[in-house]
Amino acid sequence: AQSVSQHNHHVILSEAASLELGCNYSYGGTVNLFWYVQYPGQHLQLLLKYFSGDPLVKGIKGFEAEFIKSKFSFNLRKPSVQWSDTAEYFCAVYTGGFKTIFGAGTRLFVKA
Amino acid sequence: SAVISQKPSRDICQRGTSLTIQCQVDSQVTMMFWYRQQPGQSLTLIATANQGSEATYESGFVIDKFPISRPNLTFSTLTVSNMSPEDSSIYLCSVELLGAVGELFFGEGSRLTVL
Repeated sequence: AQSVSQHNHHVILSEAASLELGCNYSYGGTVNLFWYVQYPGQHLQLLLKYFSGDPLVKGIKGFEAEFIKSKFSFNLRKPSVQWSDTAEYFCAVYTGGFKTIFGAGTRLFVKA
Repeated sequence: SAVISQKPSRDICQRGTSLTIQCQVDSQVTMMFWYRQQPGQSLTLIATANQGSEATYESGFVIDKFPISRPNLTFSTLTVSNMSPEDSSIYLCSVELLGAVGELFFGEGSRLTVL
């Protein structure tokens, strides 16, 4: 079955630390890849997306993600996190046919 | 982008009752979806709301339990019927815009607690 795995459920970092959140998916066909973020008390919103082309994509607030097809991965990175990055992050894979599969989410807490 | 309004934002309900959640979008969208996010878990697609016809349900979800309407392009309702405590969850309306395949916009969700 198609699935999306996020490696860490909870991550705690200090400000200025680097961040990498892992995401792997199981689907052999063409995919569109997304990271969504949910800040405390707010709705889910798009952080960045990959459809095709350069496998390194940049999103809002200094986030980037790299698509590695051979590893079925789409890891999210940020060189230096801020307290305001405290949120829950969801990796998602669109496999076509209006089907999007979400990972379980990673709760990030950044200590000021 | 799209602004999605969901009502109610939260409710506490008694076992055996039903609750209808409304979703209104401020722009025309191609697709509307209903998701469920149970405590500590990821988002699970309940169904795709189809305009003017029966919704398309995912495995494990049935129309008798989660009837859905979509009378026009920008409005949909989800009813959670004959509720039990297991239905306590956040229910999310989501839309896909024309030309943005796979990219989803979400409402703020409706947090439902069933006693």
